[in-house]
Amino acid sequence: NAGVTQTPKFQVLKTGQSMTLQCAQDMNHEYMSWYRQDPGMGLRLIHYSVGAGITDQGEVPNGYNVSRSTTEDFPLRLLSAAPSQTSVYFCASKPRRGPYEQYFGPGTRLTVT
Amino acid sequence: GESVGLHLPTLSVQEGDNSIINCAYSNSASDYFIWYKQESGKGPQFIIDIRSNMDKRQGQRVTVLLNKTVKHLSLQIAATQPGDSAVYFCAENIGGSQGNLIFGKGTKLSVKP
Repeated sequence: NAGVTQTPKFQVLKTGQSMTLQCAQDMNHEYMSWYRQDPGMGLRLIHYSVGAGITDQGEVPNGYNVSRSTTEDFPLRLLSAAPSQTSVYFCASKPRRGPYEQYFGPGTRLTVT
Repeated sequence: GESVGLHLPTLSVQEGDNSIINCAYSNSASDYFIWYKQESGKGPQFIIDIRSNMDKRQGQRVTVLLNKTVKHLSLQIAATQPGDSAVYFCAENIGGSQGNLIFGKGTKLSVKP
């Protein structure tokens, strides 16, 4: 199993540009999530999904959209990038709802100029 | 508001010594706690977890202690090795059925040879 994979690893955007961060998992996990990590801070939840066709907002959802058309994929879209969205983005998954360990991808480092 | 925090932002120990990383939480409804290790440039990696009906759980060289009376969580690493150098995060599930995690800010552990 590859686990949780994320692409790209690095990205530089100009303010106002849009892009999609890709996330995929091959563990047949129902639950997937996106976090952002800023310097010196813990991870903050952006959006999550408890299954295909179901998504919900986390702590910091503004400026981000998600969709979940398949169990495997959970892309994160930035519609109009802002410098405040400069961060490292992590995707994670776990088997199902409820309190379980989440498996994290390697991250995408995004810089918005 | 509810938060997960750490008493010490940095910890420096001698190789071979034991390390103790502390975490305070404020939500008495939290029913699941987890420790992650994050090495530079990588995603968080699961270390150990504990449910609220337990006081202690042991893994290989690691022990997590939960004191619900004072809302305190600790991670003990025995015989600390250079490979243990990383940032350690505690996280809690505040009781929601989805199992979303709230992360603390992290403690950087440096191991001196």
